[in-house]
Amino acid sequence: GNSVTQMEGPVTLSEEAFLTINCTYTATGYPSLFWYVQYPGEGLQLLLKATKADDKGSNKGFEATYRKETTSFHLEKGSVQVSDSAVYFCALSALLPQNSGGSNYKLTFGKGTLLTVNP
Amino acid sequence: KAGVTQTPRYLIKTRGQQVTLSCSPISGHRSVSWYQQTPGQGLQFLFEYFSETQRNKGNFPGRFSGRQFSNSRSEMNVSTLELGDSALYLCATSLRGGPYNEQFFGPGTRLTVL
Repeated sequence: GNSVTQMEGPVTLSEEAFLTINCTYTATGYPSLFWYVQYPGEGLQLLLKATKADDKGSNKGFEATYRKETTSFHLEKGSVQVSDSAVYFCALSALLPQNSGGSNYKLTFGKGTLLTVNP
Repeated sequence: KAGVTQTPRYLIKTRGQQVTLSCSPISGHRSVSWYQQTPGQGLQFLFEYFSETQRNKGNFPGRFSGRQFSNSRSEMNVSTLELGDSALYLCATSLRGGPYNEQFFGPGTRLTVL
């Protein structure tokens, strides 16, 4: 089945530090990869996505590259801000053959990584 | 445009009761998915509805059920509540569902079972 493994937190950084949150995946079919962010008391927001190998997703200074050879989609940001403090989720959605049965469009999430950025 | 709305935001119930949660999607979105979020298990997929039909289902017991109305609004129901059902329940909507359609999440309903 499909699974996502991301580095466990919490991660605590000082403002302007470099951020990396590792994410690796196992999937059948041809997955799309996503990073979602959840701010305190809110639902999840899509941060960035990549739909095929070597694609780079980017948004708000965050980047992640779809690496098929290493089955990875690590999240990076060159200079974090206090406002980036949140929980970050790596996720995948794989397109399976029509006759596979069961769930073929659901998002499979990692456990989430809590990031705290101190001033 | 208005985002995904979930009601109520907070619920407290006791074991054995049942509960109904509601999700109103973004206008034009026809796919609604439900997720359960707990500290121990993280985010787990419950089911997806599209055009009033359940299209996908996760690995949850039959106590968890849902439906979708003709205006794409969706409800999920949990019967015979157990302590372990305490969680944040999130719904996510998209235009058509599928792996490439961005899902927009609501703020969630926090269910506490005592």
